[in-house]
Amino acid sequence: AQSVAQPEDQVNVAEGNPLTVKCTYSVSGNPYLFWYVQYPNRGLQFLLKYITGDNLVKGSYGFEAEFNKSQTSFHLKKPSALVSDSALYFCALAPGRVGEKLTFGTGTRLTIIP
Amino acid sequence: DAGVIQSPRHEVTEMGQEVTLRCKPISGHDYLFWYRQTMMRGLELLIYFNNNVPIDDSGMPEDRFSAKMPNASFSTLKIQPSEPRDSAVYFCASSARQGRTGNTIYFGEGSWLTVV
Repeated sequence: AQSVAQPEDQVNVAEGNPLTVKCTYSVSGNPYLFWYVQYPNRGLQFLLKYITGDNLVKGSYGFEAEFNKSQTSFHLKKPSALVSDSALYFCALAPGRVGEKLTFGTGTRLTIIP
Repeated sequence: DAGVIQSPRHEVTEMGQEVTLRCKPISGHDYLFWYRQTMMRGLELLIYFNNNVPIDDSGMPEDRFSAKMPNASFSTLKIQPSEPRDSAVYFCASSARQGRTGNTIYFGEGSWLTVV
């Protein structure tokens, strides 16, 4: 069975500081990994994904994520946080087949403090 | 592209009434998903379709829930009869196996359901 863990329910970061939102996964075989962001009263917006290739993936709004196979992690990062980055972030996992059964983590609420 | 379109955006209904949620996936996408989001349970996959055929409905909570996809551009999720515990945000999402955006699931804005 596949699973995704987001160990932190809440992350607070001062504006301008680097931010990290953590995600670990468990799956047999090669994973497809995703990050989504949800703003209040909105749907989930796709940020970035790892399918294969370079372990450092760049996405929307200056976010990036690093795939680490040995640590089974896919942490989301940004060098300098903006207040507008405050939102709910979800890590998600699909087995190595296209378009099927995306499993979500429980979400991490990121708050950027001015 | 217009993205995944869901209707209604908000619905308040009385317990026992039938609720129908509608979804138009992104044109050309061959997968369609229905998710439910609640504070207690987070995001749950209810059912998904491939080429209009239901592939996995193991997440559908009970027989009161049903979903159909009569064609590639339309799907419905129906709850009959509705109960207060069905109150949640219901998301429709779609993806394509091939193409520039292959492998990525795109979500609609959600249907916010309140059953009183």
